[in-house]
Amino acid sequence: EVQLVESGGGLVKPGGSLRLSCAASGFTFSSYSMNWVRQAPGKGLEWVSSISSSSSYIYYADSVKGRFTISRDNAKNSLYLQMNSLRAEDTAVYYCARDLALEMALGAFDIWGQGTMVTVSS
Amino acid sequence: DIVMTQSPDSLAVSLGERATINCKSSQSVLYSSNNKNYLAWYQQKPGQPPKLLIYWASTRESGVPDRFSGSGSGTDFTLTISSLQAEDVAVYYCQQYYSTPLLTFGPGTKVDIK
Repeated sequence: EVQLVESGGGLVKPGGSLRLSCAASGFTFSSYSMNWVRQAPGKGLEWVSSISSSSSYIYYADSVKGRFTISRDNAKNSLYLQMNSLRAEDTAVYYCARDLALEMALGAFDIWGQGTMVTVSS
Repeated sequence: DIVMTQSPDSLAVSLGERATINCKSSQSVLYSSNNKNYLAWYQQKPGQPPKLLIYWASTRESGVPDRFSGSGSGTDFTLTISSLQAEDVAVYYCQQYYSTPLLTFGPGTKVDIK
């Protein structure tokens, strides 16, 4: 079964750090671009970051640029998001999502994890 | 950035009736070299992650019931549920991937049963 499972969410104080992980299974992880998308409580979807299959291309939304770092370990079938200098407005469910296209970054997402909640509050 | 808008914000439709959701992009998402519209639709049920329904504006994802259809081109798009079922209660989002990697979603349309 094709699956993405996020972990690492929790409660953190403003200015703090958190590292999210996403474990992939059931498909050739190294062949797909991967993404993080977040959803604040009761709000819509916001793309956060993407990374190409070989980590050659990495992109961030302006709202997280300079604070978040996306990475992947293809040997471990895992995607990561290092979040530093967290703010209250970063509070959201964070989803990892697989790109629809093989070996390229199309930008539509066909497989999503269940999400992990990040709460930034003092 | 390409801004996506959706209308209506919410709608209530009787079981078996048609539901229509509109999505508009602030600039064309039609790529002239391949004549494809870089527009996707997602369904999100309460407490669940989004699910891809439609990509290339009108291509149904594998396993998606054929009562879901997408249409439109350029800047104006429509998601139609031809005969609403109880399990279709959800929020529906459009998303452009024309300006990859700067991806943007619409604000969502909530669909309920009347």
